[in-house]
This record gives sequence, structure tokens and C-alpha cells, in this order.
Amino acid sequence: NAGVTQTPKFQVLKTGQSMTLQCAQDMNHNSMYWYRQDPGMGLRLIYYSASEGTTDKGEVPNGYNVSRLNKREFSLRLESAAPSQTSVYFCASRAGGYNEQFFGPGTRLTVL
Amino acid sequence: GENVEQHPSTLSVQEGDSAVIKCTYSDSASNYFPWYKQELGKGPQLIIDIRSNVGEKKDQRIAVTLNKTAKHFSLHITETQPEDSAVYFCAAIFRGGTSYGKLTFGQGTILTVHP
Repeated sequence: NAGVTQTPKFQVLKTGQSMTLQCAQDMNHNSMYWYRQDPGMGLRLIYYSASEGTTDKGEVPNGYNVSRLNKREFSLRLESAAPSQTSVYFCASRAGGYNEQFFGPGTRLTVL
Repeated sequence: GENVEQHPSTLSVQEGDSAVIKCTYSDSASNYFPWYKQELGKGPQLIIDIRSNVGEKKDQRIAVTLNKTAKHFSLHITETQPEDSAVYFCAAIFRGGTSYGKLTFGQGTILTVHP
């Protein structure tokens, strides 16, 4: 099993450009999450999907949209990138209950 | 909503010493407290967790303690090794209602173990 995979690993955008971060998990997990990680601020939840077909806002959703394409895939879209969105983005998945969240390797995004 | 404060932000120890990282949480209904380790260039990985009906949990050199009255929990690493060097995050969640596994993370602690 690959676990949680994310593409791309690195991306540089200009202000105003759009892009989609891809995430897939092969563990048959119900819930999936998108976090951003900034220095000194830990990980903050952007959006989550409790189960296939549902999505909800997290702590910092402004400027982002998500799609739960199927049970395996959960994408994060930046419609008009801003320098404040420069960050490392992590996708995670969870089976349910108290089960741990499994994180992907991250995407490092720079917006110029 | 939940708020989690983590201290210290950086911690430097000599190999073989113990390391302690502390977190406080605001929501008294929180009932699940995981700790994650993040190595350079990688995603966080769960190393230990504790539920609110337990006061302490150990796994080899790692232990977590929980004080529900004071609303704080701590990670203890004994006999530290250079490979313990990483960023450690605490987190908390109220598992119930519509929480859906939404973790609130602390700010992280950079642990450096010197040989």
C-alpha cells in the first residue's frame, strides 16, 4: 500500500494563477482532510470530507475549494493564488473512530 | 472552538537525557490526544495517543500523561537518541457530535538531540 499520496511535491505560482493539489489514499478510509502548515502555527485544517459525497469548511477555508471525487481522492483547488497561500499543504485520511490520521508527504507551494 | 498551546517551541538535549513537551487545551470536552512526529521533508506520523479515560500511557521510551482537571497533557521521551530529533506536535479533539475527526494542533516543538 502506498498510503496517502500527494502531487505535486513542489509548485511555484504567480499571484492570480490557479492550481489543483491532488491527494489519494488506498486504505479505504472514509474521512479525508487538507491542512496547511506555516512556521510557528502548527497544522491548520482547511477543509475536510467526513465521507464520500460530503465536504465541510475547517479553520482556514478562505481562498480554497475542495472536491471529494470518490472515496480515494480529495483535491484542493486555489482559484486565484495569493502570496498568503505560500505554505506546505498536507492531505490526511482516517478510517473513523479514534483511528489515527495518516498524512501524505506534503506539497510545498510558493506564490510569488 | 478548541485551542491547544504547546511549549517549548524549541528543545535541545544531550543524547541519553530525557525530553518533556507540554500542551494545554481549552475545551474540557476534548477526549482524544494524539502526538505526532514530523521528520524533515515528511508528513506527520502518529507516535502515541491517549484517551481521556486514561491518565498515562507508555510505549518503550515514549510516554504520555494526561491531567484532565488541569487540561494539560505531556510527552515524555527517555534515553533520547539523535534519531529522535524532529518536530513534535500535540493535538486534541472532542470526539462526538459533529467533530468528524477534526484535530486541533499545537504549534510544534523542534527537538534537537546532540550526540
